[in-house]
Amino acid sequence: GAVVSQHPSWVICKSGTSVKIECRSLDFQATTMFWYRQFPKQSLMLMATSNEGSKATYEQGVEKDKFLINHASLTLSTLTVTSAHPEDSSFYICSATPRGLVDEQYFGPGTRLTVT
Amino acid sequence: EDQVTQSPEALRLQEGESSSLNCSYTVSGLRGLFWYRQDPGKGPEFLFTLYSAGEEKEKERLKATLTKKESFLHITAPKPEDSATYLCAVQDGSASKIIFGSGTRLSIRP
Repeated sequence: GAVVSQHPSWVICKSGTSVKIECRSLDFQATTMFWYRQFPKQSLMLMATSNEGSKATYEQGVEKDKFLINHASLTLSTLTVTSAHPEDSSFYICSATPRGLVDEQYFGPGTRLTVT
Repeated sequence: EDQVTQSPEALRLQEGESSSLNCSYTVSGLRGLFWYRQDPGKGPEFLFTLYSAGEEKEKERLKATLTKKESFLHITAPKPEDSATYLCAVQDGSASKIIFGSGTRLSIRP
């Protein structure tokens, strides 16, 4: 149980284009989803927290107009990197908290984004 | 400010050589401390949640313990498949978010 999927697992895009990453909780309803980015050999940096049906809460320093988050349902959240630049290249990971289990997060497998 | 520090940064052990990883934390009202395992190119895999000082949890060769200032992840008689990065994270009393440490890269030689 508690499986989270991400799609795509990797993506290469040209500078200036937009990329959408999907995060799905496969066998549970997620009241809250989190988006992280991780640079090589570094830990996870929280970008934003999203609750179903409401606007995402972004961490300080994260541009909300560049990283658009939509938590459309209790099983799906999307992160859109708009007008991507090479410095946006990173490993993006989502996590989800099952309804009623606020202290547990289950992570997706991550999406490797490379902007050329 | 909430902070999580993990040590050592990297640890190389011989198969069967037991050791411990450390996670020191500063948080206003600990709601929970978490341990995750992360393999290269993958998302973290949940291992344990600890809530209060004195609590211990075990899973196979791993045992996590918690004090008021730090947590230890003890690994007993490790095997090469235990090689991974182990991440520690804390959630403060407001439960607003989880803060991760930088991880310990564990390598077990056969």
